[in-house]
Amino acid sequence: KAGVTQTPRYLIKTRGQQVTLSCSPISGHRSVSWYQQTPGQGLQFLFEYFSETQRNKGNFPGRFSGRQFSNSRSEMNVSTLELGDSALYLCASSPTAGVGETQYFGPGTRLLVL
Amino acid sequence: AQSVTQLDSQVPVFEEAPVELRCNYSSSVSVYLFWYVQYPNQGLQLLLKYLSGSTLVKGINGFEAEFNKSQTSFHLRKPSVHISDTAEYFCAVSGSNSGYALNFGKGTSLLVTP
Repeated sequence: KAGVTQTPRYLIKTRGQQVTLSCSPISGHRSVSWYQQTPGQGLQFLFEYFSETQRNKGNFPGRFSGRQFSNSRSEMNVSTLELGDSALYLCASSPTAGVGETQYFGPGTRLLVL
Repeated sequence: AQSVTQLDSQVPVFEEAPVELRCNYSSSVSVYLFWYVQYPNQGLQLLLKYLSGSTLVKGINGFEAEFNKSQTSFHLRKPSVHISDTAEYFCAVSGSNSGYALNFGKGTSLLVTP
């Protein structure tokens, strides 16, 4: 099976702009989670979607949003970009996000905000 | 909520030497523990996980970890490391009161030298 794919891999934006990142989960996986990775804060959970519904959300401002489509593909959007949003954004998928289920990570999208 | 502390930010070790990467967790509920590895410019790959049962967990690439409830620890070990083990290692915890999102430690950078 193909792994988790994320597009684009690299992105440069300027402050105030908005950005949309895309994630295609492993075939058959219905849960998609997003994480932000920065040198200062480490890996932080953004949100998780299952069957097009947001089931869980981390402690991020409302500028960060996401959605999931019927084919389980997911997008996350960041509006009004700030310099501090520069990070590696990782997407992970799992079959159902059940107890102890393994999350499979994509390679990430590296976002640089200037 | 659950949290994880990785006690060493960097661990230098010589090739073929044993290594232990330390992880302590805190939680008021039953937890599930994970170790992930991240190679440069890649996403995270699961090494092993503890859900229940035997406290000694064996993973990929010769790694193993021991769950110690009394010491709230989940240390990762390998008896003989290779140059190719050079990477960032993350301990993570999830539990029922966090919606099973992964809470990651800050990571330990393992540097293996000849």
